Amino acid sequence: DQQVKQNSPSLSVQEGRISILNCDYTNSMFDYFLWYKKYPAEGPTFLISISSIKDKNEDGRFTVFLNKSAKHLSLHIVPSQPGDSAVYFCAATANTDKLIFGTGTRLQVFP
Amino acid sequence: DAGITQSPRYKITETGRQVTLMCHQTWSHSYMFWYRQDLGHGLRLIYYSAAADITDKGEVPDGYVVSRSKTENFPLTLESATRSQTSVYFCASSELSTSGRGNEQFFGPGTRLTVL
Repeated sequence: DQQVKQNSPSLSVQEGRISILNCDYTNSMFDYFLWYKKYPAEGPTFLISISSIKDKNEDGRFTVFLNKSAKHLSLHIVPSQPGDSAVYFCAATANTDKLIFGTGTRLQVFP
Repeated sequence: DAGITQSPRYKITETGRQVTLMCHQTWSHSYMFWYRQDLGHGLRLIYYSAAADITDKGEVPDGYVVSRSKTENFPLTLESATRSQTSVYFCASSELSTSGRGNEQFFGPGTRLTVL
């Protein structure tokens, strides 16, 4: 049973436009959500996170929105840049020691 | 080198062989994790450790063994490799008390394992 779902395996966006990556979860006990970015042949790196007590967290071009009633979060990248092309993983935790990851969304930003 | 390192980066082995993947971190983080990344499955937790000599199973532990005699090292052993264990393996570490970022994990560069 996939507790964290990223239903879009890939997304293609033009440079300068907004990229929106979506993530759904089923476990209402999750209290912290994170986004990781992964380039080929590298390990994932932390990008941005949000606590379940908030509905928005912003860091530069990256904003994460959390809708607890819908059990949905999204990552917005504005403006998108070619260097943002990577695989993005959504992750969630209920007790702060283990993360549950989604299957990832491959973002391609083209000129 | 500071950070978290994995070795080897690439490994080809045969079915039935024993293989050990190494993970070393220099931050003295309490927690260490092993994941495998497979297409369509994302990152799945194999085993994790909360401290030296404390390990626990994750989502997909079958066929794997771990140990943690020292805080900085967390080797993963495939006792008798199978083709289904062909994957990219990532080690990660975290320390709950830092940065206020919750459970941010720091990942190594990965080991690509092929079992023939």
